[in-house]
Amino acid sequence: SQTIHQWPATLVQPVGSPLSLECTVEGTSNPNLYWYRQAAGRGLQLLFYSVGIGQISSEVPQNLSASRPQDRQFILSSKKLLLSDSGFYLCAWKRSGITEAFFGQGTRLTVV
Amino acid sequence: QKEVEQDPGPLSVPEGAIVSLNCTYSNSAFQYFMWYRQYSRKGPELLMYTYSSGNKEDGRFTAQVDKSSKYISLFIRDSQPSDSATYLCAASGGFKTIFGAGTRLFVKA
Repeated sequence: SQTIHQWPATLVQPVGSPLSLECTVEGTSNPNLYWYRQAAGRGLQLLFYSVGIGQISSEVPQNLSASRPQDRQFILSSKKLLLSDSGFYLCAWKRSGITEAFFGQGTRLTVV
Repeated sequence: QKEVEQDPGPLSVPEGAIVSLNCTYSNSAFQYFMWYRQYSRKGPELLMYTYSSGNKEDGRFTAQVDKSSKYISLFIRDSQPSDSATYLCAASGGFKTIFGAGTRLFVKA
């Protein structure tokens, strides 16, 4: 069966510090991978998605970037965090085509 | 206009009630429709999915899609306190899945 791992679960970082969140998927190959952000009381905002190694599509111009160095690894990064980067970050995967997405357990990021 | 609209609630019902959760969408290209349940501080978990129009039933849950009116519904029968969570509808037409804002549901014992 397929599983998705996302870490860390909680992170408190000072303004201006770098960020690296990692997501890995097991049990499938060539998944579509996604990073979402969920602000308190709001829906899921799609940040980045990737349909293959090295292929990244950005949905929202922002202080963040994403990379996919391996087939089942997706990384969300920032060089200098802003207060507005605080939120709940979720990684998700799905098979290619029109299918359902499966989520990791999320990382709660607080920038102080 | 958002591609998927959902009333954020909150919705509070007594235990045993029938719950109706609804969403509308604007993109006719959407063909795959999903409902997710999200408990506090957890990732969303897939509850049900439906391809194109029609109904799908799974235990106490029924998902309904009406493509002619672009309306998505989730019905929960005999609601339980453990059903208290945020329910997100979602629609997909390809690579991207678009989510509603989520409806917070409280089921009171």
